[in-house]
Amino acid sequence: EIVMTQSPATLSVSPGERATLSCRASQNIRDNLAWYQQKPGQAPRLLIYTASTRVTGIPARFSGSGSGTEFTLTISSLQSEDFGVYHCQHYDDWPPTFGQGTKVEIK
Amino acid sequence: QVHLVESGGNLVKPGESLGLSCAVSGLTFSDLYMSWIRQVPGKGLEWISYISARGTSKYYADAVKGRFTISRDNTKNSLYLHMNSLRVEDTAVYYCASNTGSLHFDDWGQGTLVTVS
Repeated sequence: EIVMTQSPATLSVSPGERATLSCRASQNIRDNLAWYQQKPGQAPRLLIYTASTRVTGIPARFSGSGSGTEFTLTISSLQSEDFGVYHCQHYDDWPPTFGQGTKVEIK
Repeated sequence: QVHLVESGGNLVKPGESLGLSCAVSGLTFSDLYMSWIRQVPGKGLEWISYISARGTSKYYADAVKGRFTISRDNTKNSLYLHMNSLRVEDTAVYYCASNTGSLHFDDWGQGTLVTVS
């Protein structure tokens, strides 16, 4: 199965600063990558799919990029409501797998 | 938007069985592809099973293959997961999730906790 590796494990960011999260696939997944946000006690929420397409209603400060094996989620100016855990997931083949998550916390 | 509500989570002993349900509303259920995804508290997400819109295709993660069975009833707008031979390592919050095409998960339920101890 394809292994997804996220870095860093924890990212400490001040409100208003830029946050850059990375996700690496163990083999080429083209652009079949999604990003989710999860807050404590809540289910994950889909933010981005096909590596760079924002879900309707997701603020423009969230952007995704990359293809193949290297992907990035950028939050251009972090807001207080953006803190939580971010998961990447491939869907290029069976089984779909997730990264271990990056926790974005207040600096 | 789809609204999903899981139920059935409980505390069970190793080797026992348990059934989970997911009630779906908001969109035409028979148009939705459905999955079960689990999460050990504080850990990452693990996809475990998928069923196509009409129930004709099913996939399972190796960790649950042969023990878990996914099913759906499109007349009741419901998804199910029957779990046999439960193990301590099956302890997790179980989410149902939907998608309409590619296998990214558009909508999620709130989760139901299964504890095997």
